[in-house]
Amino acid sequence: KAGVTQTPRYLIKTRGQQVTLSCSPISGHRSVSWYQQTPGQGLQFLFEYFSETQRNKGNFPGRFSGRQFSNSRSEMNVSTLELGDSALYLCASSSSGDGANVLTFGAGSRLTVL
Amino acid sequence: SQKIEQNSEALNIQEGKTATLTCNYTNYSPAYLQWYRQDPGRGPVFLLLIRENEKEKRKERLKVTFDTTLKQSLFHITASQPADSATYLCARLGGSYIPTFGRGTSLIVHP
Repeated sequence: KAGVTQTPRYLIKTRGQQVTLSCSPISGHRSVSWYQQTPGQGLQFLFEYFSETQRNKGNFPGRFSGRQFSNSRSEMNVSTLELGDSALYLCASSSSGDGANVLTFGAGSRLTVL
Repeated sequence: SQKIEQNSEALNIQEGKTATLTCNYTNYSPAYLQWYRQDPGRGPVFLLLIRENEKEKRKERLKVTFDTTLKQSLFHITASQPADSATYLCARLGGSYIPTFGRGTSLIVHP
């Protein structure tokens, strides 16, 4: 079956702009979570959605937001971009979001902020 | 808050040897620990999951142990191959807690 699809794969923005990233989970997976990965901080949890509801949120400013649609597809948005937002943004899906359920990650969206 | 710590130094080993990677956690024992492999420019790929009440889990050349006394999980790759070269991430996931990943340990297997 198809894996987790993230679009776009690469994008370049300038400071102050906003960006929207998209994630299509594996069919049947209802949990979608987002992560930011940088060389300095590693993989950091942004938020998790399950059946269109945000169940958990990491320690990121309000400029980072997300949503999930009824078909489980998810988007995340970053407003007022800063240089430090340059990172690989990873989306992962799982069937329930429970710790015993493994995450299937997409290839990521590489954001560069100039 | 829960922390997952992995050795930040790259592990260099010769082909055929056993690679052992360490994951230490702080505070409470996680119900589950998961190990992922990540190649450059790609998303992590799940390898193994071990539960708190399990001492050891195996899958082909991979083995994971969980020691709640030491607050540590060890990840072993036996008969390592150059294709095993990657970054390996340890993670605590699930429940109401924020998912936490270690920063990963880079493994380099030399032919």
